[in-house]
Amino acid sequence: ETGVTQSPTHLIKTRGQQVTLRCSSQSGHNTVSWYQQALGQGPQFIFQYYREEENGRGNFPPRFSGLQFPNYSSELNVNALELDDSALYLCASSVSGSTDTQYFGPGTRLTVL
Amino acid sequence: GNSVTQMEGPVTLSEEAFLTINCTYTATGYPSLFWYVQYPGEGLQLLLKATKADDKGSNKGFEATYRKETTSFHLEKGSVQVSDSAVYFCALSDRDAGNNRKLIWGLGTSLAVNP
Repeated sequence: ETGVTQSPTHLIKTRGQQVTLRCSSQSGHNTVSWYQQALGQGPQFIFQYYREEENGRGNFPPRFSGLQFPNYSSELNVNALELDDSALYLCASSVSGSTDTQYFGPGTRLTVL
Repeated sequence: GNSVTQMEGPVTLSEEAFLTINCTYTATGYPSLFWYVQYPGEGLQLLLKATKADDKGSNKGFEATYRKETTSFHLEKGSVQVSDSAVYFCALSDRDAGNNRKLIWGLGTSLAVNP
């Protein structure tokens, strides 16, 4: 059974650019959640995807968007990058209808210059 | 809204010392409660969980009991090891307006264990 994987591991972008982060969910998991973790902070919920549709959203602007594919993998897209977008982006997968335990990938470290 | 408050770190202990990391929560209803651990340079790993009042979650020598009367979920370990050095996050599950589940997190407590 493979765990949650994310790519790339690290990424450096400049302000105003766009970025796409990728996540493969754990085998058998159909729900993917994305979190932003700023340095020294706890994770903040961005959104969740289930059955290829957004299934809940945190307090993030529309320039944060996502996709889920039929194999349950997911992408997080961020447009018009700002310096404050520099963070660790975490993907978590879970089974819908379970006791809401989420399993996390190693994260993608995004630096915006 | 729902929230989680953890004791501030960093916490520095000697090997084999007793560990307590306090966590209290504010919630409507009866959320599930979690402790996650983040080792240096790695993602978050589920350490333990409890889904209802008086449940005790345990794993790798760590324990936490869901205390509804004190709205707490304190993490304890009787004898810490150097390998326990990490950041520990307390979290609760929450449902948004669309009845979708998400996790609400504390700020994390950094633990350093010295040999």
